[in-house]
Amino acid sequence: AQSVTQPDIHITVSEGASLELRCNYSYGATPYLFWYVQSPGQGLQLLLKYFSGDTLVQGIKGFEAEFKRSQSSFNLRKPSVHWSDAAEYFCAVGAGNQFYFGTGTSLTVIP
Amino acid sequence: DGGITQSPKYLFRKEGQNVTLSCEQNLNHDAMYWYRQDPGQGLRLIYYSQIVNDFQKGDIAEGYSVSREKKESFPLTVTSAQKNPTAFYLCASREGNQPQHFGDGTRLSIL
Repeated sequence: AQSVTQPDIHITVSEGASLELRCNYSYGATPYLFWYVQSPGQGLQLLLKYFSGDTLVQGIKGFEAEFKRSQSSFNLRKPSVHWSDAAEYFCAVGAGNQFYFGTGTSLTVIP
Repeated sequence: DGGITQSPKYLFRKEGQNVTLSCEQNLNHDAMYWYRQDPGQGLRLIYYSQIVNDFQKGDIAEGYSVSREKKESFPLTVTSAQKNPTAFYLCASREGNQPQHFGDGTRLSIL
């Protein structure tokens, strides 16, 4: 069965520090992978996607993610976090007609 | 600009009452989805529709109903059979294997 695991429920980083959010997935075929961001009371906004090809993908707002098939991971990174990055982050895998979402990682940014 | 419009933003339900959440998209997407979001549980799929006049149950369809009479519209009815309806509801649409696009959500509460 398809599943997505985000092991970190909550992460706190200092502004200007680097960030890595972890995502592991379970899927039998080559997955379509996505990262979304959600601000309080809002919908989800797509940060980046991986379909095939280069395993390092660039997204909006300075985010990037690396697909590692051997580790079934798709971790999200940002070299320098801004206060406006505080939000909830969701990893998702597209499998056929459906999407499967992780439970999310809440990011707090301290000055 | 193309997008997804959910209304109302806030909705209150009385005991024994059915309420309907609206979702309209002008992206010309074939597929539409309804998710329920509860704190710490990520997004759970309620119903989805791949084409007009066809829809499938998701993981938590009990107590909900949908219709898809028009390509651009996918309303969700929360029936009185749903005993714990308080949640944030998100509608999404998608074309092919592309990422899902989300509306800004409707927050449903019980009076």
